[in-house]
Amino acid sequence: ETGVTQTPRHLVMGMTNKKSLKCEQHLGHNAMYWYKQSAKKPLELMFVYNFKEQTENNSVPSRFSPECPNSSHLFLHLHTLQPEDSALYLCASSKGLGTGELFFGEGSRLTVL
Amino acid sequence: SQQGEEDPQALSIQEGENATMNCSYKTSINNLQWYRQNSGRGLVHLILIRSNEREKHSGRLRVTLDTSKKSSSLLITASRAADTASYFCATDSSSFQGGSEKLVFGKGTKLTVNP
Repeated sequence: ETGVTQTPRHLVMGMTNKKSLKCEQHLGHNAMYWYKQSAKKPLELMFVYNFKEQTENNSVPSRFSPECPNSSHLFLHLHTLQPEDSALYLCASSKGLGTGELFFGEGSRLTVL
Repeated sequence: SQQGEEDPQALSIQEGENATMNCSYKTSINNLQWYRQNSGRGLVHLILIRSNEREKHSGRLRVTLDTSKKSSSLLITASRAADTASYFCATDSSSFQGGSEKLVFGKGTKLTVNP
């Protein structure tokens, strides 16, 4: 138990569906992150939020839409995805930006049919 | 863009043996971190070593950092079957590049410890 909870753990969706991934951290951290992990590729940073303000968008396609209503919650809204978007999506948090250690959730395994 | 690159990509050893994994990177760093990931799960932080440190220990883990060679190694001593996992190095260059925190991960080393 890392203090970062992701739901759902598994998601299967069609290319025309709209779904959302949710992340909640109980650590009192101020920074939250979305990473994408595909087979045989390094972890890719997608978005960074600090005090619920987006500080990094790593050229992510607009079919991925993040939302950070407060420092404890982070969402990733998904629409019109492609099969190549199938991956493990990992949420992480840290005390602040540049403070070192990231705490990861267990991930949401997404399959796009 | 990928910064850290682990070597070897896969490592298989017997229980009780030591496991050494290496990480090379390209640009100046603020710190380097090692993470572990069990299959299909999230990453767990193991150890952080700052650019002005050369060696750090945590339990059965020993990490070294050579900034002149831009490389780091992770040694797991007296390995156990439960150490079977993928191990990733991640570099933080944020103090050099400016902007926000940006940990860049390598592809990882898949370690198998056979009982």
